[in-house]
Amino acid sequence: RKEVEQDPGPFNVPEGATVAFNCTYSNSASQSFFWYRQDCRKEPKLLMSVYSSGNEDGRFTAQLNRASQYISLLIRDSKLSDSATYLCVVRGTGANNLFFGTGTRLTVIP
Amino acid sequence: EAGVTQFPSHSVIEKGQTVTLRCDPISGHDNLYWYRRVMGKEIKFLLHFVKESKQDESGMPNNRFLAERTGGTYSTLKVQPAELEDSGVYFCASSQNQPYGYTFGSGTRLTVV
Repeated sequence: RKEVEQDPGPFNVPEGATVAFNCTYSNSASQSFFWYRQDCRKEPKLLMSVYSSGNEDGRFTAQLNRASQYISLLIRDSKLSDSATYLCVVRGTGANNLFFGTGTRLTVIP
Repeated sequence: EAGVTQFPSHSVIEKGQTVTLRCDPISGHDNLYWYRRVMGKEIKFLLHFVKESKQDESGMPNNRFLAERTGGTYSTLKVQPAELEDSGVYFCASSQNQPYGYTFGSGTRLTVV
């Protein structure tokens, strides 16, 4: 079983739409959770960390449900520049290495 | 501040040849990581250096892969001999103290033919 499972998409949404991505993780003892963004043929870049209380950064809202081992990312008022692959990333207990999902591809259409 | 630099950006080699990838972390970052993405799969951890010491190499696929970080600065990842299944993008990342302070390099795209 994979450590992190994501719907690969693709998600094609019009500008201004709201879109939500979800992922699940298998290790209940996982400590830290993140969403990374990866543009085509570029490196992954940290978008935001995810906290149990939920957190928001502008148009982006991330939530964590530890009981269900579920992480979400909500993007409001989508922009063309939001088109990218969004990677759900989890850090396990006592480890410095990260576990990545396969990513969800988003295309925002004019 | 210069980011994480990887060289080369692309490499095409024949099966059985040797390739060496290089990573220059952000200056002062003690933690250096190698990750790999094979076609259609997720990015996977290979190993972690703290300064010049290997902290965790549990993700290294087999003994054809050798990573070094002499002097605790830049790191090399050598594949010898390369096999077709080694094709993919090899990412290096560095951080100071906290794992969520990772900065990734732009990767080396390795193609073994």
